Amino acid sequence: DAGVIQSPRHEVTEMGQEVTLRCKPISGHNSLFWYRQTMMRGLELLIYFNNNVPIDDSGMPEDRFSAKMPNASFSTLKIQPSEPRDSAVYFCASSLVGGNEQFFGPGTRLTVL
Amino acid sequence: DAKTTQPPSMDCAEGRAANLPCNHSTISGNEYVYWYRQIHSQGPQYIIHGLKNNETNEMASLIITEDRKSSTLILPHATLRDTAVYYCIVAGNNRKLIWGLGTSLAVNP
Repeated sequence: DAGVIQSPRHEVTEMGQEVTLRCKPISGHNSLFWYRQTMMRGLELLIYFNNNVPIDDSGMPEDRFSAKMPNASFSTLKIQPSEPRDSAVYFCASSLVGGNEQFFGPGTRLTVL
Repeated sequence: DAKTTQPPSMDCAEGRAANLPCNHSTISGNEYVYWYRQIHSQGPQYIIHGLKNNETNEMASLIITEDRKSSTLILPHATLRDTAVYYCIVAGNNRKLIWGLGTSLAVNP
């Protein structure tokens, strides 16, 4: 099993630039979750999809953040424009709908200068 | 806000059992207790979950009190590789996990 794949693993960008994070869930999984982790706030759920449909985006901090899942094997999280306070580790996780175990990717460490 | 309370840190000797407590006094009847752990610089890893009965798998045991207001995760023979942050999470049928700050477990040689 390849597990959940995230790219890039590290991203350094300047304030105001657009950032796109990518996630490939485990094959056969039909729920996908985007999380953000910082020292101050811990691990926060941003949005999750069931069967490619966004179910709950209440954790998305503001309009600068958007997420898409065009098909069952790919999702993106976009930040436009990026700000220094967006610096964090962003995790993607997948599971079966209603499944009890979420499988996490290795994360993308984002630094916005 | 997280619905659970955990001690911020604990220590355990290698080879001994690690008992990690969690309080979830406001848990609802249809909510499960989940445990995950996060080893430094990695994504969180599922350990175990339960509703009201005690559960055991190859990684750990989960003991839930009869009133379901607290639980304990037991690592029967802790190793150095079990050093991690352990998260206790309560979630309903939507499986939406709200994470607290967890317990940082240090397993010492």
